[in-house]
Amino acid sequence: QSALTQPASVSESPGQSITISCTGTSSDIGDHSSVSWYQQHPGKAPKLIIYDVTHRPSGISHRFSGSKSGNTASLTISGLQAEDEADYYCSSYSRTNTLFGGGTKLTVL
Amino acid sequence: QVQLVQSGAEVKKPGASVKVSCKASGYSFTEYYIHWVRQAPGQGLEWMGWINPNSGGTKYVQKFQGWVTMTRDTSINTVYMELNRLRSDDTAVYYCAREWGWRFDFWGQGTPVTVSS
Repeated sequence: QSALTQPASVSESPGQSITISCTGTSSDIGDHSSVSWYQQHPGKAPKLIIYDVTHRPSGISHRFSGSKSGNTASLTISGLQAEDEADYYCSSYSRTNTLFGGGTKLTVL
Repeated sequence: QVQLVQSGAEVKKPGASVKVSCKASGYSFTEYYIHWVRQAPGQGLEWMGWINPNSGGTKYVQKFQGWVTMTRDTSINTVYMELNRLRSDDTAVYYCAREWGWRFDFWGQGTPVTVSS
């Protein structure tokens, strides 16, 4: 069981928006602004798409956005495209440890 | 450009050890921690710990303490992760990743390790 809880899967049609949640505790997500999101395509290494809750690295589409409320962080992807179909993982810093969520498989119908 | 290049796939027998390398280039090697993350087949990401390439200091997840060793060679900008007493459930892809401000901004390509008798 992962330290951070994500839905196992989500699906939506192209052009629509989806939000993936990531629930932790007051010791990790609730206590830090160091929440990150990673996108992983099959057979590839994870790729950083959101850091510090809301920030996008250079080169990441503005269609990806992050937020946080209390102990839950969220990743929103707008204007879904076929290339967004992948696994998404949240991560948070907690007391010198790094925690990952169990991952969410996004299917673009 | 920043690159982390890992060593190739490994096949080991139960009880053996494996040592995976991660060669960094394109940045100042000693200024960023390197973390190791593994992913079992069809499973999620599992954080294993980090090494400070400057001091050689390490932190391991409690689960891996006494079982994993992370080292570095600053002369060739390379970090290593050695896992001992391998079991079948250590079969996974092992990734190194550079940390910058509690996020992993660059990742190695992954090293598949298969443990099978």
